[in-house]
Amino acid sequence: DTEVTQTPKHLVMGMTNKKSLKCEQHMGHRAMYWYKQKAKKPPELMFVYSYEKLSINESVPSRFSPECPNSSLLNLHLHALQPEDSALYLCASSHHGTPSDIQYFGAGTRLSVL
Amino acid sequence: TQLLEQSPQFLSIQEGENLTVYCNSSSVFSSLQWYRQEPGEGPVLLVTVVTGGEVKKLKRLTFQFGDARKDSSLHITAAQPGDTGLYLCAGAGGTSYGKLTFGQGTILTVHP
Repeated sequence: DTEVTQTPKHLVMGMTNKKSLKCEQHMGHRAMYWYKQKAKKPPELMFVYSYEKLSINESVPSRFSPECPNSSLLNLHLHALQPEDSALYLCASSHHGTPSDIQYFGAGTRLSVL
Repeated sequence: TQLLEQSPQFLSIQEGENLTVYCNSSSVFSSLQWYRQEPGEGPVLLVTVVTGGEVKKLKRLTFQFGDARKDSSLHITAAQPGDTGLYLCAGAGGTSYGKLTFGQGTILTVHP
């Protein structure tokens, strides 16, 4: 099983709303990632968690707040987003987060900010 | 900063034609992954190449990793409409520990 599950699949929110994206994997992977992807562009890394600790933050604005409650779950809390934050948000996981790891992606959450 | 140059950016072909997508870098990668992504979905891993000079085949898809592990290619034989999608190469390792370096992607459209 190489499944990474993301919920919700679609989300529409206003600029004053607070919402959360969720990601779950049961492959025993210890590294989890958040990416942002604009249409027809490659994914852009946002955050990396390794063994439940935040190891990489790619200078992401504080209106995005990641959380890793345990090794199987990854959340992305959203607050006061801007319309330009509308994108496909992808979660991925890998065994340990080492350079040669394969990353497995979820289907993404399509976010629209009005 | 590692860069992975992917070309072509767009490819529009007829069913039955062959095509090749290239990814080139001046950096050495420990492995290179190829993904295919359909609109509104996440990238799906097609193959990982690890050894310099490695060739892997997946039905009509042939993947090569350069001898120096700086470049890779994806060749599709007799393309079908179901091959339509965004193809992404992604390099792992090197100076960007824990990160994948993505190419800019190739949008392939195969017309029936």
